[in-house]
Amino acid sequence: EEQLVESGGGLVKPGGSLRISCGAFGFPFKTVWMSWVRQAPGKGLEWVGRIGVTTDYAAPVKGRFTISRDDSKNMLYLQMNSLKTEDTAVYYCATERSGWIPDYWGQGTLVTVSS
Amino acid sequence: DIRMTQSPSSLSASVGDRVTITCRASQGIGNDLGWYQQKPGKAPKRLIYGASSLQSGVPSRFSGSGSGTVFTLTISSVQPEDFATYYCVQHKSYPLITFGQGTRLDIK
Repeated sequence: EEQLVESGGGLVKPGGSLRISCGAFGFPFKTVWMSWVRQAPGKGLEWVGRIGVTTDYAAPVKGRFTISRDDSKNMLYLQMNSLKTEDTAVYYCATERSGWIPDYWGQGTLVTVSS
Repeated sequence: DIRMTQSPSSLSASVGDRVTITCRASQGIGNDLGWYQQKPGKAPKRLIYGASSLQSGVPSRFSGSGSGTVFTLTISSVQPEDFATYYCVQHKSYPLITFGQGTRLDIK
């Protein structure tokens, strides 16, 4: 059974850094494009970025966030630097295997940026 | 940037009702649109891609239609498990994708 498990969320001060991870199970991870999508508390969904042939980012995080992957470990990462209070959200990783939009999502990890 | 606007923002329905949610794009996007369902505290679930293609495993009471700037998600007969928030998303501007603000469906 395919599964995505995010980890590494927590409380960080404004200006700080955090790396969150996403473990993939039950499918051929190295052949799959992966996305990060976030959701601020009580708000809607916001695409963060994707790693495929290229790596692309949404404007609010470009230059501060970096997506990477380790196919040998079936792991996806999101390195977040220069964090702002508005980055507070649940961060979801998701596969992108068809239809050019995320298809299967993990359960998310909460990142809180607060002093 | 392509903006997606959903209407209504919320609606109430009874079990068995036919429900339609509309998503409008700020410019033409062909059929580059999908729909998601999200229940409280859970991850989104993809229902529709390519404007009208039903995701595997999704009940046939869900359907999507439209092209260009106006799209609809229809639930032909709402079931208790369908009460949730629904989001549209466009990928015309791929690699950038943008979501609508969401439509909450609750029980009347």
